[in-house]
Amino acid sequence: EAQVTQNPRYLITVTGKKLTVTCSQNMNHEYMSWYRQDPGLGLRQIYYSMNVEVTDKGDVPEGYKVSRKEKRNFPLILESPSPNQTSLYFCASSPLGIPREQYFGPGTRLTVT
Amino acid sequence: AQTVTQSQPEMSVQEAETVTLSCTYDTSESDYYLFWYKQPPSRQMILVIRQEAYKQQNATENRFSVNFQKAAKSFSLKISDSQLGDAAMYFCAYRSALVKAAGNKLTFGGGTRVLVKP
Repeated sequence: EAQVTQNPRYLITVTGKKLTVTCSQNMNHEYMSWYRQDPGLGLRQIYYSMNVEVTDKGDVPEGYKVSRKEKRNFPLILESPSPNQTSLYFCASSPLGIPREQYFGPGTRLTVT
Repeated sequence: AQTVTQSQPEMSVQEAETVTLSCTYDTSESDYYLFWYKQPPSRQMILVIRQEAYKQQNATENRFSVNFQKAAKSFSLKISDSQLGDAAMYFCAYRSALVKAAGNKLTFGGGTRVLVKP
């Protein structure tokens, strides 16, 4: 089954404790992206990648890091989480340039206290 | 930069009735794609409908249809014969047709919550 998986689905952590949210897709997509969803603001792009070892900032990259060492994986790293990073996070993937839908993961609810 | 605005934070509709969600966007590009996504309580993002800007014909998918007004930069979603399962958050989204630095980036509106009354 074609899918995007994220782990964990829920995470409660404390300020400053490094964490990683994993994202994996099994569709051989070139393009992968991370979004955060906040009430009234919709989804906003954090980082994206157009291929292995090619990553770039989205609209709200501050406080986040990513890496793309393998085509299928695109982890999101919060080196020193802060309460303003409490949000719902989505990973998405798609073939590059083709105007089909983006495939979204199930979301990760992160709470930073 | 492109922006997408959904001016209705919440809409309520009686079961079997019709509801229309509004979306406006701002862009200087002539070629792009517009989407409506549904997010039920499960939080999964589900594509409802897609419209290519170069197509004049409005897209339809079963009970869902859009009114695409390119000159007015308006992209409304009509849900006909509303069902309880339609209750969800709905997001309007924009994507450039140009595969440039931002790749396949989606720009989302703030969302409209749809409540369906039995």
